[in-house]
Amino acid sequence: DAKTTQPNSMESNEEEPVHLPCNHSTISGTDYIHWYRQLPSQGPEYVIHGLTSNVNNRMASLAIAEDRKSSTLILHRATLRDAAVYYCILRDVWASYDKVIFGPGTSLSVIP
Amino acid sequence: DTGVSQDPRHKITKRGQNVTFRCDPISEHNRLYWYRQTLGQGPEFLTYFQNEAQLEKSRLLSDRFSAERPKGSFSTLEIQRTEQGDSAMYLCASSLWAQETQYFGPGTRLLVL
Repeated sequence: DAKTTQPNSMESNEEEPVHLPCNHSTISGTDYIHWYRQLPSQGPEYVIHGLTSNVNNRMASLAIAEDRKSSTLILHRATLRDAAVYYCILRDVWASYDKVIFGPGTSLSVIP
Repeated sequence: DTGVSQDPRHKITKRGQNVTFRCDPISEHNRLYWYRQTLGQGPEFLTYFQNEAQLEKSRLLSDRFSAERPKGSFSTLEIQRTEQGDSAMYLCASSLWAQETQYFGPGTRLLVL
């Protein structure tokens, strides 16, 4: 399985943009890049996903490098509610398995 | 709220006891997944169902663990003869079809004394 590498932790000031990086140098052509986040004492929550083009939704933006070996989740204005563990995950749409394989993720702290 | 629900939210039990958790997926979601999460780690896959059929089980799912989804709707996860190492958060997720976005429930936190 293609793996991802993320920093263990990051800090951001409230109301400032946050850029969460993810490296996936062994990504295959059929791997989608997914981001989930997990707030304290809750289950993971889907954030965004993409294949090649940058993606935007109401929660965040996903910037994907041209070679697809890295991506960045962008929170445009961090709020205290964005303090969570963020997981960058690869999912192969043609895989015979259907589980989500989580790494340790990046723990984001938001400073008031 | 039409999200994934799990019951109970917390369970404390003594070593050797059996416990059962329930998961109600989002209505009409065909796929249902169980994951386990220990402190400081990401969730680990345990098993998943397509309707009532259990399609895959992780090696983490020892013989003491059994999961069912008898009518293709709710699912139960039973742990027999619990051990202290079973203490974890047990998460359930559902999706409409394979490889679709998985929606997670709030989890059941198990503590085995």
